[in-house]
Amino acid sequence: DGGITQSPKYLFRKEGQNVTLSCEQNLNHDAMYWYRQDPGQGLRLIYYSQIVNDFQKGDIAEGYSVSREKKESFPLTVTSAQKNPTAFYLCASSRGQARGNTIYFGEGSWLTVV
Amino acid sequence: GNSVTQMEGPVTLSEEAFLTINCTYTATGYPSLFWYVQYPGEGLQLLLKATKADDKGSNKGFEATYRKETTSFHLEKGSVQVSDSAVYFCALRGTQGGSEKLVFGKGTKLTVNP
Repeated sequence: DGGITQSPKYLFRKEGQNVTLSCEQNLNHDAMYWYRQDPGQGLRLIYYSQIVNDFQKGDIAEGYSVSREKKESFPLTVTSAQKNPTAFYLCASSRGQARGNTIYFGEGSWLTVV
Repeated sequence: GNSVTQMEGPVTLSEEAFLTINCTYTATGYPSLFWYVQYPGEGLQLLLKATKADDKGSNKGFEATYRKETTSFHLEKGSVQVSDSAVYFCALRGTQGGSEKLVFGKGTKLTVNP
C-alpha cells in the first residue's frame, strides 16, 4: 500500500539526548514536511523539503535538524537544544508545492522527555 | 500573513444532529482550502478540499463551500454519527514568503453522543 510511514510510534528521550524520528514515503512525492502538534493546538511547521538535498526552515526550526538524502526519506532529529520537545510529531508529503496539491500525513510519533 | 480562524470547541452533539464548524481565513491571492480530520492518537486525514471560489468539497456526508466574498469555508454535515467524533482542522495552502505552505486553524473537537 502507498503511504507515509513514521517510526517509532512512541519514543522517550532523556534530558540532553538527541533523538531521530524516521519518515519514509512510497508515494513518489517530491515535497516532504515535518509538523509539531501540542495538545489543543494546531500544527506548526518545523522543516520542509521541496527536493532531494534541499530543505528550508519552517516556523519553529530551532532545536531541530533534518536531512533529505533520498526522495523517499526525511528524518527529523530533535536535538538537546530543543527545550520543550514533548509533543506529537507528524510527517507529511505532497506531489509538489503548488497550492492545489494535497498534503498527506503519516500516523505520527509521540516524543516524551523523561 | 496567511491565517485560519475556526470556531473553538469542544462541540457536543447528539446522533443525527446537524453539524456546522465555522472557518474563516485571511490570505493573499487565491489559496486552496482544506478540512482534515484527526481521530484520537492518529495522524491527519484529508476530509475534503476546494481549490477555487464557489467550489464545493464533499466527502462522507460532509460538505464545505469556498466563499471568497466572506473568506469562509464552513464545514457542514446533515446528520452526524458517533463515529464522526474527532478533531477537525481547517487549513489553507497559499503563497507566503515564496512558498506554498499549509496553515492550520487550532482545531475543533467534536463529540457525538448516542
